[in-house]
Amino acid sequence: DTEVTQTPKHLVMGMTNKKSLKCEQHMGHRAMYWYKQKAKKPPELMFVYSYEKLSINESVPSRFSPECPNSSLLNLHLHALQPEDSALYLCASSRQTGPQETQYFGPGTRLLVL
Amino acid sequence: LAKTTQPISMDSYEGQEVNITCSHNNIATNDYITWYQQFPSQGPRFIIQGYKTKVTNEVASLFIPADRKSSTLSLPRVSLSDTAVYYCLVGDGRDDKIIFGKGTRLHILP
Repeated sequence: DTEVTQTPKHLVMGMTNKKSLKCEQHMGHRAMYWYKQKAKKPPELMFVYSYEKLSINESVPSRFSPECPNSSLLNLHLHALQPEDSALYLCASSRQTGPQETQYFGPGTRLLVL
Repeated sequence: LAKTTQPISMDSYEGQEVNITCSHNNIATNDYITWYQQFPSQGPRFIIQGYKTKVTNEVASLFIPADRKSSTLSLPRVSLSDTAVYYCLVGDGRDDKIIFGKGTRLHILP
């Protein structure tokens, strides 16, 4: 099983809402990532978890709050988002962190903030 | 960080071989070169990775010259389904970050 699943596929939320994005993998990977991708732009790294601990936070605003409850799950909690946060949010995993490790990406959650 | 430069877009025809070159002048000694493919509204998918010389798998070949300041992804006999964005990534050996470049939009014509 080389699949990373993400839910929901689509999400529409208002600026006062609280929502969560979920990501799951069962490949035994110990590194998990959140990326944000705007239309016609490359994915931008947001967070990296290594062995369930946050190892990289790319200066992401606090309205995005990641959580890694166990080695298979990764959540991204959203609160008080802005319309410019509308994007495709991608989750990925790899065996470990490191530039030589292949990342497996999920299909993404397309988020629209109204 | 090792920055990458790729052509913004390329067009080719079905059945042709397509070569996409990526420039990475500041590549570090322990950096790997990795290529990903992304279709619209999907996550990127790993294609191939190399460190030096030539790597080949069932999908593509990767050519890396001795100075490692560039690399070329070669897609043999492309089809319409190869229309996608192709990203060249160079790992930063100082930490665990991988930075996506701007990518090359490849459009295959019938």
